[in-house]
Amino acid sequence: DADVTQTPRNRITKTGKRIMLECSQTKGHDRMYWYRQDPGLGLRLIYYSFDVKDINKGEISDGYSVSRQAQAKFSLSLESAIPNQTALYFCATSDFSEETQYFGPGTRLLVL
Amino acid sequence: AQSVTQLDSQVPVFEEAPVELRCNYSSSVSVYLFWYVQYPNQGLQLLLKYLSGSTLVKGINGFEAEFNKSQTSFHLRKPSVHISDTAEYFCAVSGRAYSTLTFGKGTMLLVSP
Repeated sequence: DADVTQTPRNRITKTGKRIMLECSQTKGHDRMYWYRQDPGLGLRLIYYSFDVKDINKGEISDGYSVSRQAQAKFSLSLESAIPNQTALYFCATSDFSEETQYFGPGTRLLVL
Repeated sequence: AQSVTQLDSQVPVFEEAPVELRCNYSSSVSVYLFWYVQYPNQGLQLLLKYLSGSTLVKGINGFEAEFNKSQTSFHLRKPSVHISDTAEYFCAVSGRAYSTLTFGKGTMLLVSP
């Protein structure tokens, strides 16, 4: 089984709809991250959480919210989706004792 | 604040040729440096990282990178590439006090026979 899982893997939605992307990890890491990837722009940090009670905005948090339901679960919500939120979304985890981040397989989101 | 510049968006190369993917960074603090690889339709996988110590870092699949503090660079090299190395490569930097990664825009390595 994969250490970092993301659901759904693909999602098509319409402008104005609320959607949630979910991330779960079995690595026991305390830190979790959400990124979006756009062609030619690399990965940009949306939100991150260093433990269950800690939530921090990243570079591009406008239009997004997150919830850290447990150490192993970190969800990303788009309250009212818009077409320029069409992107590939990645969840990642890391441990405080190790600088490496481990990435999930990604969720491809299309907003019509 | 940190930033990463990957100077080439695409690097075409023939199989068995050497390759260098360039990465420059800027930061006001000491840094950790990383190279990640993304194969088609997959997530990112760590190739190698520099945290401290030797400036020449060896990673998986025969890749290596050299940290050059004076030139603020962390270029990735492989002496002989394979078709299977075709992928997008991302350089990333982390300031030691912050533990979040700042990524470059990526370099697509295209290996042809």
